[in-house]
Amino acid sequence: EPEVTQTPSHQVTQMGQEVILRCVPISNHLYFYWYRQILGQKVEFLVSFYNNEISEKSEIFDDQFSVERPDGSNFTLKIRSTKLEDSAMYFCASRIRPGPNTEAFFGQGTRLTVV
Amino acid sequence: KNQVEQSPQSLIILEGKNCTLQCNYTVSPFSNLRWYKQDTGRGPVSLTIMTFSENTKSNGRYTATLDADTKQSSLHITASQLSDSASYICVVSGYGGSQGNLIFGKGTKLSVKP
Repeated sequence: EPEVTQTPSHQVTQMGQEVILRCVPISNHLYFYWYRQILGQKVEFLVSFYNNEISEKSEIFDDQFSVERPDGSNFTLKIRSTKLEDSAMYFCASRIRPGPNTEAFFGQGTRLTVV
Repeated sequence: KNQVEQSPQSLIILEGKNCTLQCNYTVSPFSNLRWYKQDTGRGPVSLTIMTFSENTKSNGRYTATLDADTKQSSLHITASQLSDSASYICVVSGYGGSQGNLIFGKGTKLSVKP
């Protein structure tokens, strides 16, 4: 069964360092998301990406964050200068096409720990 | 403000028993409501998705109901198993400017004990 894969599963970084979280969406999907979940809190929307550009972003997604689809398969989230409060699980999700009624498939997540 | 509220926050039941989890939402306009199961440290996995016109939908031992008038949903788990221990998250999707983005509840943490 096709699935969304994320790497690494766990990333530890020092405050102020740049991190890149990687995602490989399901191959024929066109619409991509990043979400995050701080420990003990609910999943929060960060950004959606379609047709090689950002469709929508939340207040959380400030200038420290960027997304990129560098090739036909990868979808990355970059945090330029990490802060302690960036520690969270980061989930990538993909959909076959835009539209609220299409199923979103989530990856297993990357646990980011900023020390 | 679009919100999804779930209750209870946590629940402990014995293996083999049934349970019902609740979800209230204020998302408008409404497109659909989903229930996800999230094992600890893992990504959410979809259980059901219900649109405005659907009142009930089953997936094995999971049955979801939706009352779009009162903006309430429930997830009923029948004959619980130890593997049902997880967080169950209610997620609501809206139309229009939201681009179909998903609004998550905080989840109900279910523990099934032997």
